[in-house]
Amino acid sequence: SQQGEEDPQALSIQEGENATMNCSYKTSINNLQWYRQNSGRGLVHLILIRSNEREKHSGRLRVTLDTSKKSSSLLITASRAADTASYFCATGLNTGFQKLVFGTGTRLLVSP
Amino acid sequence: NAGVTQTPKFRVLKTGQSMTLLCAQDMNHEYMYWYRQDPGMGLRLIHYSVGEGTTAKGEVPDGYNVSRLKKQNFLLGLESAAPSQTSVYFCASSSGQPPGYTFGSGTRLTVV
Repeated sequence: SQQGEEDPQALSIQEGENATMNCSYKTSINNLQWYRQNSGRGLVHLILIRSNEREKHSGRLRVTLDTSKKSSSLLITASRAADTASYFCATGLNTGFQKLVFGTGTRLLVSP
Repeated sequence: NAGVTQTPKFRVLKTGQSMTLLCAQDMNHEYMYWYRQDPGMGLRLIHYSVGEGTTAKGEVPDGYNVSRLKKQNFLLGLESAAPSQTSVYFCASSSGQPPGYTFGSGTRLTVV
């Protein structure tokens, strides 16, 4: 499987701290996306970065992409308890946005 | 609200029974997907569709069948349920363009 792998598998921090999650993948990609999943719910799209981009920002989210290392990181700044969720990276291969391959996820716990 | 609706939300089946999961989207998306989510495995693609009347196998298609007779609906069938099919099933849809997928809220299936 050409699945992405997130690291760490689980992360526990205090409110106000920054949370960093990493994603590694195996093959060349067209784009990489990050999704959030609250417990018992479906996944929600957070942010997309294309293969020719190195960094993207959206609110408190910062995503970087290093295609030479086949890795991406998601930084959540000033975490809140409401950020508690699982976070997944998903890679779009040659088909671009038509077929994504999801990683195994990072479980983030933000304590008040 | 526009989005992806999955029915049912919960189901318990006996081994050997059959059932159909329904996914409906009202965003006129061409692409629809069925994933299963198991602990530690992330999301794995079962089947997908690139348009009305089309279907294709994903990563783990065995034991499942799908149909897309109408653009807005994507059905996932289990002909003879097995305990290994106990999982949470997610449907998603996409326009094939950014930003990403829209997911349903999931169906929790238990096969006893």
